[in-house]
Amino acid sequence: EPEVTQTPSHQVTQMGQEVILRCVPISNHLYFYWYRQILGQKVEFLVSFYNNEISEKSEIFDDQFSVERPDGSNFTLKIRSTKLEDSAMYFCASISPKSSYNEQFFGPGTRLTVL
Amino acid sequence: SQKIEQNSEALNIQEGKTATLTCNYTNYSPAYLQWYRQDPGRGPVFLLLIRENEKEKRKERLKVTFDTTLKQSLFHITASQPADSATYLCALEGGAGGTSYGKLTFGQGTILTVHP
Repeated sequence: EPEVTQTPSHQVTQMGQEVILRCVPISNHLYFYWYRQILGQKVEFLVSFYNNEISEKSEIFDDQFSVERPDGSNFTLKIRSTKLEDSAMYFCASISPKSSYNEQFFGPGTRLTVL
Repeated sequence: SQKIEQNSEALNIQEGKTATLTCNYTNYSPAYLQWYRQDPGRGPVFLLLIRENEKEKRKERLKVTFDTTLKQSLFHITASQPADSATYLCALEGGAGGTSYGKLTFGQGTILTVHP
């Protein structure tokens, strides 16, 4: 069964460094999302992406964040200058255009640790 | 402001019993309410979706109800098994404010432990 993949599974970085988190959504999906989950807290929406542009972004998704779909398969989240409070699990998700349920398929996540 | 609450942080039950989890929301008019399962260190996995005009939805041992008057959803797992132990998340989609397709707002989750 097709699944969303994310790399790396764990990223450790120094504060102020740039990180790029990568996702490969399921191949025929058209709607893409990034969420994050700080340890012990709820899953929070960051951004939605459709037709090569951002549909909506949350207050968390400030100028330090950007998303890109550089080719037909990858979907990336870039954090330009990481802060300690960016430490979290980051999940990519996608929706099939054929879904009658709007169910989101989540990847396994990237654990980002900012030191 | 919009608020989603799952009113139990943790629920412990014996194998074979029915687990009932609650999700309440305020200041929200969702088009859909979804339930997800999350295992430690993993991404959420979709279980069930119920629409605003539906009262109940079932899938195998799972049942979801949705009361838009009470602004509440109940999630039931019948004949529970230790393998059902996980965190269960409710998530709302849609509603006022022109939010984008598929954007989910999650509750904080209920940790279910089923004891053998």
